[in-house]
Amino acid sequence: EAGVVQSPRYKIIEKKQPVAFWCNPISGHNTLYWYLQNLGQGPELLIRYENEEAVDDSQLPKDRFSAERLKGVDSTLKIQPAELGDSAVYLCASSFDGRGGSDEQFFGPGTRLTVL
Amino acid sequence: SQQGEEDPQALSIQEGENATMNCSYKTSINNLQWYRQNSGRGLVHLILIRSNEREKHSGRLRVTLDTSKKSSSLLITASRAADTASYFCATMGEYGNKLVFGAGTILRVKS
Repeated sequence: EAGVVQSPRYKIIEKKQPVAFWCNPISGHNTLYWYLQNLGQGPELLIRYENEEAVDDSQLPKDRFSAERLKGVDSTLKIQPAELGDSAVYLCASSFDGRGGSDEQFFGPGTRLTVL
Repeated sequence: SQQGEEDPQALSIQEGENATMNCSYKTSINNLQWYRQNSGRGLVHLILIRSNEREKHSGRLRVTLDTSKKSSSLLITASRAADTASYFCATMGEYGNKLVFGAGTILRVKS
């Protein structure tokens, strides 16, 4: 079974440029998460989707970050414009049922973003 | 914000020794999970312990949970070089399904 797929794996951009990350969750997983992980820290949740609905986006900086999950499968996370402080690893995760049917989350390899 | 705090921040042991990592958290939880992260395999779920459980085993892993002290420990027995990684505890809140991760413990197993 294929795991969570993310692309690109690495991205280097200049500040003020836009950037987008893509995630394909495990087939059949209805809940999708985007996390941000800074160096030396644990992941921090940015947004959680249940199917197409963003049920928790309280930690998403909405002035520059946006996300969508059309058709309840793939998801895209966008930053526009990027700032130096956005340099981090962006992780996507999925789970079968975010309401407790399965608490285990499966993570993708992440996208390492460097903003110059 | 991160709820869990792992201790120690870094741990270096010889192959074959046991490794113990501790996690403390602040609010009531539904469950607590441990994850491992290394450059080769990314972040991988290791074990989950629910708030009504006190101890759980999985292979060479043993997890304990003390809800009165809001703390958990992860024991890896007979460590191997391949156990070298960062280990994170993550708590799932009582009413939601939001995982909150700690800052992690870096484990290095020397062969």
